[in-house]
Amino acid sequence: DAKTTQPPSMDCAEGRAANLPCNHSTISGNEYVYWYRQIHSQGPQYIIHGLKNNETNEMASLIITEDRKSSTLILPHATLRDTAVYYCIVIGWDNDMRFGAGTRLTVKP
Amino acid sequence: DTEVTQTPKHLVMGMTNKKSLKCEQHMGHRAMYWYKQKAKKPPELMFVYSYEKLSINESVPSRFSPECPNSSLLNLHLHALQPEDSALYLCASSQSGERAKNIQYFGAGTRLSVL
Repeated sequence: DAKTTQPPSMDCAEGRAANLPCNHSTISGNEYVYWYRQIHSQGPQYIIHGLKNNETNEMASLIITEDRKSSTLILPHATLRDTAVYYCIVIGWDNDMRFGAGTRLTVKP
Repeated sequence: DTEVTQTPKHLVMGMTNKKSLKCEQHMGHRAMYWYKQKAKKPPELMFVYSYEKLSINESVPSRFSPECPNSSLLNLHLHALQPEDSALYLCASSQSGERAKNIQYFGAGTRLSVL
């Protein structure tokens, strides 16, 4: 079973920041938080991952709460091409990637 | 190059056919994966190969038979499939089996229809 909870859908206006929440209240100390997205009819695409510190790359920022029970993926300036299903996944040393239902983000003009 | 190539892109087969899906990567990755994705559902893990050895089989029916002939290639042999096996089959690879540091790169998938 997936270890994360995400809202099923969100909307965002083009050019605005998209903030996608994820709850992972049962996360263990050695488990990482990964984010992937899947644009319609394509394979999932890696976005970012982190353990306990906030992370930023060219695609997004990942904010992890101090207690590590939740995180937020931030797309700073959403475009129409960011419309996709976003998956938050918790992965540890001894378990494989299990996708939850994800959040369907729709970026609107 | 972060490309995982899957062929064919589309496949239609009858329930008595034998077919194979192919996946190839040239990133030097030593772990490769098969996922199955039904419409409007998340991907489900089927098989994991680590250093060309099968390490995970998620109770997949024997009509699906994976093969990893070398570190760059992964096949999925299909035989006597059922219509409910129609789905998008995704292949992925990652640098190693260290799961927590495990960025997976996915192919575009093979869309399979079983008639």
